[in-house]
Amino acid sequence: GENVEQHPSTLSVQEGDSAVIKCTYSDSASNYFPWYKQELGKRPQLIIDIRSNVGEKKDQRIAVTLNKTAKHFSLHITETQPEDSAVYFCAASIGNFNKFYFGSGTKLNVKP
Amino acid sequence: NAGVMQNPRHLVRRRGQEARLRCSPMKGHSHVYWYRQLPEEGLKFMVYLQKENIIDESGMPKERFSAEFPKEGPSILRIQQVVRGDSAAYFCASSPDRGRTNTGELFFGEGSRLTVL
Repeated sequence: GENVEQHPSTLSVQEGDSAVIKCTYSDSASNYFPWYKQELGKRPQLIIDIRSNVGEKKDQRIAVTLNKTAKHFSLHITETQPEDSAVYFCAASIGNFNKFYFGSGTKLNVKP
Repeated sequence: NAGVMQNPRHLVRRRGQEARLRCSPMKGHSHVYWYRQLPEEGLKFMVYLQKENIIDESGMPKERFSAEFPKEGPSILRIQQVVRGDSAAYFCASSPDRGRTNTGELFFGEGSRLTVL
């Protein structure tokens, strides 16, 4: 089955700096890559996603890039703010969204 | 449109007891997924169900765990004879029927936190 690895496990940045979280996947058939944000004690929520026919997608301060050849994708957060502090999960899905494989999560701490 | 509803939010059980966790998907969603999250860890896939059918249970332990999604009512994750290692947060997620409107997004509930004493 698919194996998604995520790095780093923790990331601490100063407010205003950029943060980058990286994930790799093993199954070249994976074609959908969402990112979820989970605040402490809350539910995971989708923040951005990318499909395998696209190399990059941007939504305000958040961007995701995908390298299909290398089988890795990354989340970029620019001008970080304290409210960005949370755990971020990457995921990969094969085919018709039957199963999502999640990375182990990155705990992002934005220091004011 | 209410979100995914899970109950109970917190459940305490003694070893050997049974735990039942319920999940009502969002209106119009017929696909339900259960994930387990241990403290400081990621989301581990357990089972994927559609109405009255288990589609994929490859992530669920073969013993003591079962899941159902009946024609009427919520999806239920059942853990029999709980052990301390079952202590975790159990998240349910739902997604709409397949089709042009399905973006692939999973909508998560708030989770049910099981503590086994």
